[in-house]
Amino acid sequence: EAQVTQNPRYLITVTGKKLTVTCSQNMNHEYMSWYRQDPGLGLRQIYYSMNVEVTDKGDVPEGYKVSRKEKRNFPLILESPSPNQTSLYFCASSLSEELNEKLFFGSGTQLSVL
Amino acid sequence: DAKTTQPNSMESNEEEPVHLPCNHSTISGTDYIHWYRQLPSQGPEYVIHGLTSNVNNRMASLAIAEDRKSSTLILHRATLRDAAVYYCIRKLISNFGNEKLTFGTGTRLTIIP
Repeated sequence: EAQVTQNPRYLITVTGKKLTVTCSQNMNHEYMSWYRQDPGLGLRQIYYSMNVEVTDKGDVPEGYKVSRKEKRNFPLILESPSPNQTSLYFCASSLSEELNEKLFFGSGTQLSVL
Repeated sequence: DAKTTQPNSMESNEEEPVHLPCNHSTISGTDYIHWYRQLPSQGPEYVIHGLTSNVNNRMASLAIAEDRKSSTLILHRATLRDAAVYYCIRKLISNFGNEKLTFGTGTRLTIIP
């Protein structure tokens, strides 16, 4: 089944403790991106990647890192999480970044930073 | 501004058609209109997209105004499973040359049995 898989689904951590949220897709997609969703703000893009070893900042990249060493994986890294990074995170992928390509989203990771 | 404007919420009776409006008055000639929906506790799910012509697929229809400043997502026969937040999105090329897809806060659709 074609899908985007995120782990973990729920995560509670403390300020400053490094964490990684994994994202994997099985559709051989070139384009992957991370979003955060906050009440009243909709989804905002954190980082995106157009292919292996090609990543760039989205609208809200501060406090996050990403890497794209393999086509299927696009982990989101929080080196020193802070409470304002408490949010619902979604990974997404598409065949390419062409404007007529649709995005496939994962089920989300609810992160709480205490 | 790449955002679109949608009503915050709408209600519809089950098994009746639903028309979800979207205003994108600042759209440019190459921007695509995409619709996604988000069911409770799930990630957004693609519904439909279009550029200029009306589009149909198994989930919905998309009617795009002739001047492209607005569009309407049509669910032909709403079911309880269609209750979700529906996002109308412009997909465009940013000033930095990358694809940009900006989600607003969407329309929360309630289906009344």
